[in-house]
Amino acid sequence: DAKTTQPTSMDCAEGRAANLPCNHSTISGNEYVYWYRQIHSQGPQYIIHGLKNNETNEMASLIITEDRKSSTLILPHATLRDTAVYYCIVRVETSGSRLTFGEGTQLTVNP
Amino acid sequence: DAGVIQSPRHEVTEMGQEVTLRCKPISGHNSLFWYRQTMMRGLELLIYFNNNVPIDDSGMPEDRFSAKMPNASFSTLKIQPSEPRDSAVYFCASSLQTGANVLTFGAGSRLTVL
Repeated sequence: DAKTTQPTSMDCAEGRAANLPCNHSTISGNEYVYWYRQIHSQGPQYIIHGLKNNETNEMASLIITEDRKSSTLILPHATLRDTAVYYCIVRVETSGSRLTFGEGTQLTVNP
Repeated sequence: DAGVIQSPRHEVTEMGQEVTLRCKPISGHNSLFWYRQTMMRGLELLIYFNNNVPIDDSGMPEDRFSAKMPNASFSTLKIQPSEPRDSAVYFCASSLQTGANVLTFGAGSRLTVL
């Protein structure tokens, strides 16, 4: 699996957009970018994933650069409940296979 | 669906005792994963099953750990004998084997070994 690099921590004001970056310069052509988050004391939660096109769902948007070496997860209007550790994972889309979590980014949304 | 159900939510035991953690995956999901989370090591994959068959147990720390999946709706993770360094939160997750790597996690079992 390609290695990912994320900032250790970020802060965001409530109601503003939170933009979480992820570098994955060694990504292969068949590897997807996945984002999960873990709110304190809960299990990780799937957010979104994509291959090369930008993706949007009810939780977030995923912007992947044209060369696919980096991506940004966007929470358009962050709330206090979005305070969590956000994990960027690169993996081939072969379900039923191991998903390895790194250290992630601790996002703190401030009132 | 009630999601992935884990039990117990909290367990406190003494060193040397046997610990059994249980997991009920989402109905219809045919992949099941056991993770362990500690402050020092983060989230580690211990073992995963596809269609009740263990596929990769390379993350199981040592012979004291064993996992079984006797049917599609139940899995156990057993530690015997337990040691203080096994104290952690243990998460179970399940997913469909077809499609993307979308795992649904349970709430976790917090184990404290004294």
